[in-house]
Amino acid sequence: AQTVTQSQPEMSVQEAETVTLSCTYDTSESNYYLFWYKQPPSRQMILVIRQEAYKQQNATENRFSVNFQKAAKSFSLKISDSQLGDTAMYFCAFASNTGNQFYFGTGTSLTVIP
Amino acid sequence: NAGVTQTPKFQVLKTGQSMTLQCAQDMNHEYMSWYRQDPGMGLRLIHYSVGAGITDQGEVPNGYNVSRSTTEDFPLRLLSAAPSPTSVYFCASSYSRWGGGTQYFGPGTRLTVL
Repeated sequence: AQTVTQSQPEMSVQEAETVTLSCTYDTSESNYYLFWYKQPPSRQMILVIRQEAYKQQNATENRFSVNFQKAAKSFSLKISDSQLGDTAMYFCAFASNTGNQFYFGTGTSLTVIP
Repeated sequence: NAGVTQTPKFQVLKTGQSMTLQCAQDMNHEYMSWYRQDPGMGLRLIHYSVGAGITDQGEVPNGYNVSRSTTEDFPLRLLSAAPSPTSVYFCASSYSRWGGGTQYFGPGTRLTVL
């Protein structure tokens, strides 16, 4: 079975600073997809960024970017110019290209300090 | 478009009771799924559907039934609830399998079993 590990239960960052959230995963597959989801206090799940394993280029969405290291099975999220609205739980997730399963990590609670 | 809608938003059950959580989407998505989120945990896949009339089990299917008679609706039946702290149930849909399509999540149903 696939596993997704987020080793940082809680993190904080000063407003306008940069923070990196870590995620590692375990799989024997060569093609798969990785995601970062944001869950603010409203509990809504919001897709932040998505990476396809066969693409070497790291995905970027405005202030959010990833560092995808396929050999190391690492998928970290970098948030630049942190804003108060970034305060939320962040979940790393894995999806197989061959199966229909979707696996989430346990989450990292990020607080942006004014 | 309303996106993915879920009812009810909140529910309290007694041990042994059953109920049905409703989920509907108006985006004509073929793929729909149900997740549960326990306190301090990530989301875990309960059941999913790849189209009307087709359902399959996820990671934690025991105690739940699903059906998919139309593209729009994907109800989840909770059988004989066991005592548990509040969990949140999310429904999600996507136009293709997990990796190829973004999953859109509903707002969640908060369920407590006394």
